[in-house]
Formats: sequence, C-alpha cells, structure tokens
Amino acid sequence: GAGVSQSPSNKVTEKGKDVELRCDPISGHTALYWYRQSLGQGLEFLIYFQGNSAPDKSGLPSDRFSAERTGGSVSTLTIQRTQQEDSAVYLCASSIQGQETQYFGPGTRLLVL
Amino acid sequence: GEDVEQSLFLSVREGDSSVINCTYTDSSSTYLYWYKQEPGAGLQLLTYIFSNMDMKQDQRLTVLLNKKDKHLSLRIADTQTGDSAIYFCAEFQGAGNMLTFGGGTRLMVKP
Repeated sequence: GAGVSQSPSNKVTEKGKDVELRCDPISGHTALYWYRQSLGQGLEFLIYFQGNSAPDKSGLPSDRFSAERTGGSVSTLTIQRTQQEDSAVYLCASSIQGQETQYFGPGTRLLVL
Repeated sequence: GEDVEQSLFLSVREGDSSVINCTYTDSSSTYLYWYKQEPGAGLQLLTYIFSNMDMKQDQRLTVLLNKKDKHLSLRIADTQTGDSAIYFCAEFQGAGNMLTFGGGTRLMVKP
C-alpha cells in the first residue's frame, strides 16, 4: 500500500516568510510524528499526534513552529517568520497506534535564504 | 534527553561483512531500530529488536542486543555497493512517544 507522503519535496523561501509543510500518513495509522534533520543537530523530534488526544509539542524549538492534524489524518507543520537556522529536512512518520514501528516519508527539504 | 551514540564512518570491501555499532543510555527502551538513509531520501526501516530479545536475524541482517552494556549492533553479511548509505540506530521510549536517534554511521562499500 501507499507509504507516508510529504509535500513539497523541496522548498526555498526567504527569511521572514511563513512556510507550510504537509504530511499524509499511512491509511489507518493513528499516530503521526514530525522530526527535523539538520547538519548540526542530527535527527530531532518535534511533535507527536495520537488520535484525538492533545499533541505532544515538547520538541518544538520555538513558538514560531506549530502543527495541526485535521480529521485525524493529514498534518501541516507551519513555520512562521522563517530563519536561516530553520533550513533542514523535515521528516514525517506514522505508526499504527503510537507504540509500534514508525514509517517515514521522504521528507521536505527546506532552504531559507 | 538520553544519548544514542554511533561511530561516524565505516568502510568495507564488497563481499565482506559490515558491523555497525550503537550505544544507548536508557535502560527502559522497549524497541531498538535500525534505519537506512540513502542520499536525498527519507529513512527506510531496516529491522528492529524488542528489548527482551538478544538477537534477531533477517536475511543478510543480524541484530545483536546486549542490554547489560546497552550495546546494539547491526551486521550486514556479504555487503554490496547498494548498501552504501547512512545507518541510524534509534531507541523508542514509550513514555516519551518518540524515537531518539544516533548521529548515523556512513557506510562506504568499495568494489
């Protein structure tokens, strides 16, 4: 079946602009995760959604970052007033119920000029 | 948070075995994973092991877990040039609902 999909695959933006990154999890997976992969910091957890529960936002680096998940499926990660240090690959993953294996999408490569 | 550590680089010849090592610090980890990342791609799940196991074999892949020493290894038998990639180990801590990743080991396979 279809895996996790993300869009866009690449995004170039100017410093100070807002960006939205989209993730479509595997059908039937109730848990959804966002991670960030950057040269200096490696792979970092950002946020976790499980069903209709309040998300775990403990990994979000600043209040410029927010995420939502509508209808328990698609998720959007929004970065406001982007900074150059936001340049990274943003990876989304999903799992069946949050305690099992996470399957990753191809990522969105964000470059902030 | 807890640290997961890996060596940065490993070079082997085609046909040899590769062993990639990982150490972790959280003894409460329930699952430990190996992911593979090729250039420009996302993370591909290779294999995983539950914390009450000490070995798991899956075709050319063998995972060994030493809980006492908090040491995880991935052995790739008959390494091929297509195995060249970055390999990440990760631990899952149920309480944190997240994977904690090592820094990745870049495997280079020479023909």
